[in-house]
Amino acid sequence: GQQLNQSPQSMFIQEGEDVSMNCTSSSIFNTWLWYKQDPGEGPVLLIALYKAGELTSNGRLTAQFGITRKDSFLNISASIPSDVGIYFCAGHQMDSNYQLIWGAGTKLIIKP
Amino acid sequence: KAGVTQTPRYLIKTRGQQVTLSCSPISGHRSVSWYQQTPGQGLQFLFEYFSETQRNKGNFPGRFSGRQFSNSRSEMNVSTLELGDSALYLCASSSLQDYGYTFGSGTRLTVV
Repeated sequence: GQQLNQSPQSMFIQEGEDVSMNCTSSSIFNTWLWYKQDPGEGPVLLIALYKAGELTSNGRLTAQFGITRKDSFLNISASIPSDVGIYFCAGHQMDSNYQLIWGAGTKLIIKP
Repeated sequence: KAGVTQTPRYLIKTRGQQVTLSCSPISGHRSVSWYQQTPGQGLQFLFEYFSETQRNKGNFPGRFSGRQFSNSRSEMNVSTLELGDSALYLCASSSLQDYGYTFGSGTRLTVV
């Protein structure tokens, strides 16, 4: 099915480093959502964005809705071990009948 | 408030059998979506129900079906199970006011 282009596919980072990931599309989106999934569990909503240019923070997490409405990024500052997991972006396109489109995920791994 | 509840949590079935999975959404949420997730894969959209009507459908064979009841609880059924149907099946509900979806913990289906 249709997907967003999410990158990177995986990231190996040191504890304390900042992390950045993004999603892009050739289509315009009305909403952008960022989720985190721990192994064996369902994804948990981290941040929801509803307006172009919107910048929203949730603790050490910051996400932005791109001005062109075709992209979004998620930053994690000062990563800690519990940040490990898979991060997904998702969004609603214009005239999509509310169907949510998903990125393939970014796997975050902390180097020992 | 109670979250999204999926039952059973784990299930083992034999190839050729059928299975029914259940999802109870957050109270007041009228939209329920189902996803299939195989190891290392992203979320593959199965279908979405809103007020007992299927509103969106993914690219899965007809062996996968679902329904929603008047209390918004939803079930999905897979008939003639195949080994490749082994996956984590996730249910998510939404109020549509904020477009954010809340996921359950999933049902881990193993087909042997």
